[in-house]
Amino acid sequence: GAGVSQSPSNKVTEKGKDVELRCDPISGHTALYWYRQSLGQGLEFLIYFQGNSAPDKSGLPSDRFSAERTGGSVSTLTIQRTQQEDSAVYLCASSLVSGINEKLFFGSGTQLSVL
Amino acid sequence: TQLLEQSPQFLSIQEGENLTVYCNSSSVFSSLQWYRQEPGEGPVLLVTVVTGGEVKKLKRLTFQFGDARKDSSLHITAAQPGDTGLYLCAGAYGQNFVFGPGTRLSVLP
Repeated sequence: GAGVSQSPSNKVTEKGKDVELRCDPISGHTALYWYRQSLGQGLEFLIYFQGNSAPDKSGLPSDRFSAERTGGSVSTLTIQRTQQEDSAVYLCASSLVSGINEKLFFGSGTQLSVL
Repeated sequence: TQLLEQSPQFLSIQEGENLTVYCNSSSVFSSLQWYRQEPGEGPVLLVTVVTGGEVKKLKRLTFQFGDARKDSSLHITAAQPGDTGLYLCAGAYGQNFVFGPGTRLSVLP
C-alpha cells in the first residue's frame, strides 16, 4: 500500500473487554513503532520492532498490553481487560530501517474509547 | 517526567504574523525531528536536524538545532491558516524516538 494502514479507525469497547488493533506498515519497512496519544497530548512510546530482533517493550504501561509482528510485516497490539485510562489514539509508524536520520511514516491511528 | 519539553503549549496568532516555538531537554540527542499533526491524522515529518548549530529552511519554516544538541526551535515567517496544527519535536533515543507534548498552533485568517 501507499502508506501505513491502521484498523479499525475507531473502536468503542466496554471496560474489561479485550481489544486488538492492527497495523499494516509500508512494504519493505523493517522498523515498526507503536505510540499512544491521549487527548491533546504528545506521543507516548509503547513498543518497537526491528527486523527479526527482539522487540523493545520498554514503553508498555502494564502486562495487559502486548504486541506481535508476524512475518516481519503486520503488527497487532492487544490490550487485555481494558480500563477507561486506556482510552486514547493508538498510532503505528514504520521506517525503512532504524537510525537517527530515519523518517517515521505514521498511520492515521485507532481511536480507542473504553466505556 | 518528559524528556522533551515544548513551549508554548498553545499559540493563537493572526495570519501574516511571525512565531517561534521551542523544544528543550536536559538530555543530548543525536538527532531531532519536527512533525506537524492535523486532526484525525498521524504526524508528518517536516525536518530532521543532526549537527549542533544546524539551521534548515523549508519555505517559510526555519529550524535550528542548539549547539549542545539539547534544544531546537521552529520559526514560521508570515504564518498562514494552513500552518494550523500540532507541532511535535522528537529526539532519537536509543533505537526509537521520544516525543515532546507538542505546541498547538492556530493561525486565524
